[in-house]
Amino acid sequence: LAKTTQPISMDSYEGQEVNITCSHNNIATNDYITWYQQFPSQGPRFIIQGYKTKVTNEVASLFIPADRKSSTLSLPRVSLSDTAVYYCLVGDRPNDYKLSFGAGTTVTVRA
Amino acid sequence: EAGVAQSPRYKIIEKRQSVAFWCNPISGHATLYWYQQILGQGPKLLIQFQNNGVVDDSQLPKDRFSAERLKGVDSTLKIQPAKLEDSAVYLCASSVRQAANEKLFFGSGTQLSVL
Repeated sequence: LAKTTQPISMDSYEGQEVNITCSHNNIATNDYITWYQQFPSQGPRFIIQGYKTKVTNEVASLFIPADRKSSTLSLPRVSLSDTAVYYCLVGDRPNDYKLSFGAGTTVTVRA
Repeated sequence: EAGVAQSPRYKIIEKRQSVAFWCNPISGHATLYWYQQILGQGPKLLIQFQNNGVVDDSQLPKDRFSAERLKGVDSTLKIQPAKLEDSAVYLCASSVRQAANEKLFFGSGTQLSVL
């Protein structure tokens, strides 16, 4: 069972970079690391996914070290609209395709 | 492209009553998921379908919850009878297929209040 551990909450200010680290010590060889974002009254939304090294898209960057036991989601220059809950997911054994959400990290961006 | 549609958006019932939620996934998505999200917690997977077959229902309280996915498209989730602790948002998600790198697309959910 690949469980993830994230900080419960993080505070930031507009224009700063926010880095959220997720631990997944029992990650399996075929697991990808996926991050979702959830705003109040909405379902989670896919942000970024990676397997190893670094992935970047228009929203965020994902850094994965060689041992893959952790990953860091980086949100550059956050704005008030980035205030949300961020979830880190890996596969959930024995169902390889099951994605289990933890409590996530509540990111609050202040002006 | 149309997203995952869910209805109703809100539902208020009394305990011991029955309730049903409906989900229409993105066209062509073979995999469908129902999640329960209690206030302040992350979504918990209740049941996962691949086409019209159940892949995982290990966390579905089968004495009161049931779900079906007729013809491998739309799905309904039913609670009968409801308990106070069933108050939550019920999220439906779909993906193209089952795969380790598959992306899930979520609907806006149905907020259930059991009084």
